[in-house]
Amino acid sequence: DSGVTQTPKHLITATGQRVTLRCSPRSGDLSVYWYQQSLDQGLQFLIQYYNGEERAKGNILERFSAQQFPDLHSELNLSSLELGDSALYFCASKSGSSGTDTQYFGPGTRLTVL
Amino acid sequence: TQLLEQSPQFLSIQEGENLTVYCNSSSVFSSLQWYRQEPGEGPVLLVTVVTGGEVKKLKRLTFQFGDARKDSSLHITAAQPGDTGLYLCAGEGPPSNFNKFYFGSGTKLNVKP
Repeated sequence: DSGVTQTPKHLITATGQRVTLRCSPRSGDLSVYWYQQSLDQGLQFLIQYYNGEERAKGNILERFSAQQFPDLHSELNLSSLELGDSALYFCASKSGSSGTDTQYFGPGTRLTVL
Repeated sequence: TQLLEQSPQFLSIQEGENLTVYCNSSSVFSSLQWYRQEPGEGPVLLVTVVTGGEVKKLKRLTFQFGDARKDSSLHITAAQPGDTGLYLCAGEGPPSNFNKFYFGSGTKLNVKP
């Protein structure tokens, strides 16, 4: 158990819908990272927050948005869903922003868009 | 196009054999990490290498960071069935994009008893 929790574990929805994925980092960790893992693209970095502020952006679509709240939990919002958005979505937390800090991954949310 | 290329993509070997997985890029990274991922779970960090030329050992696993900090290798000695899983390398940076992580496509290892 990494100490990072993600809900829900599974999500099935239809094209065009909007969903919210939730992540609670390890106690005391200030950094939250979001990733998308699909069969054809591998693990793709989406976005990073540190203590409530956006710090780095990766391959995140404009239909996707995220935020980190004062209690440090984070939400990833996916809208106008397409079939290709079906994937595993992971969040990871880190205590700081140093490259040597360990990144701990949550168990993931499996999103299926029908 | 992946920033980090991993090879081989698949590896099926017998228990007791040695193997090496490669992670190559044309970009320089601030640090490079290796993870192992089991089906249905998130990746678990094995090691972080920071200095060019650095070698780290973790029991039967040896990790090396290239001198130019563009590539890395993972060598497993006397592989065991418990080593089966997806091995991912991830580069942080380059320094102009600190806090961004780029993952390789992964090497799926199967160790047969």
